[in-house]
Amino acid sequence: QSALTQPASVSGSPGQSITISCTGTSSDVGGYNYVSWYQQHPGKAPKLMIYDVSNRPSGVSNRFSGSKSGNTASLTISGLQAEDEADYYCSSYTSWSWVFGGGTKLTVL
Amino acid sequence: QVQLVQSGAEVKKPGASVKVSCKASGYTFTSYYMHWVRQAPGQGLEWMGIINPSGGSTSYAQKLQGRVTMTRDTSTSTVYMELSSLRSEDTAVYYCARVGGVIMGGFDPWGQGTLVTVSS
Repeated sequence: QSALTQPASVSGSPGQSITISCTGTSSDVGGYNYVSWYQQHPGKAPKLMIYDVSNRPSGVSNRFSGSKSGNTASLTISGLQAEDEADYYCSSYTSWSWVFGGGTKLTVL
Repeated sequence: QVQLVQSGAEVKKPGASVKVSCKASGYTFTSYYMHWVRQAPGQGLEWMGIINPSGGSTSYAQKLQGRVTMTRDTSTSTVYMELSSLRSEDTAVYYCARVGGVIMGGFDPWGQGTLVTVSS
């Protein structure tokens, strides 16, 4: 199973919005509404930010939103804050296995 | 609150095996599947497999088939991941992560991670 494709890095200034894409195939992202997004700060365990394409777990800021079109899912962070600087990973279910994206480093300028 | 606490760091020689534990608390252990995910130094996340703590059934990543074994002990609410025939490329932080809701959905929460170093 090949990894999902994410941009290696994105950046934005405080207050701006950014979007991270996650491209798969019809066997994973395009085939199921089970895309999730994780935030990982250096030296820490990943944290679930979005599940089932667009749902936010309790306690996650509404500045984080998710969507999907065809084989590409997206994570949008609005009103960027310094604390959002981290690595972000997407993941998709695919027939009794799961696949992650390669990760995107978000830099808040 | 839901908590996953993993065993401590390990150093192993090539060819050896390692067994990492993940003790769950704060919920009904047998009601939620558990994943294992690893992350090599400076690299991304890699899904390793999933176990059903209720019946013990498993599904493993094709890449690790034959080398990975996931088990559970319901009496102590603990899941285990054993990886055999270790090589240097297996050096990574290993995480357990509970299914958040539906089995196919997100992973939440995660354990703190266990560093496994494979070195001669």
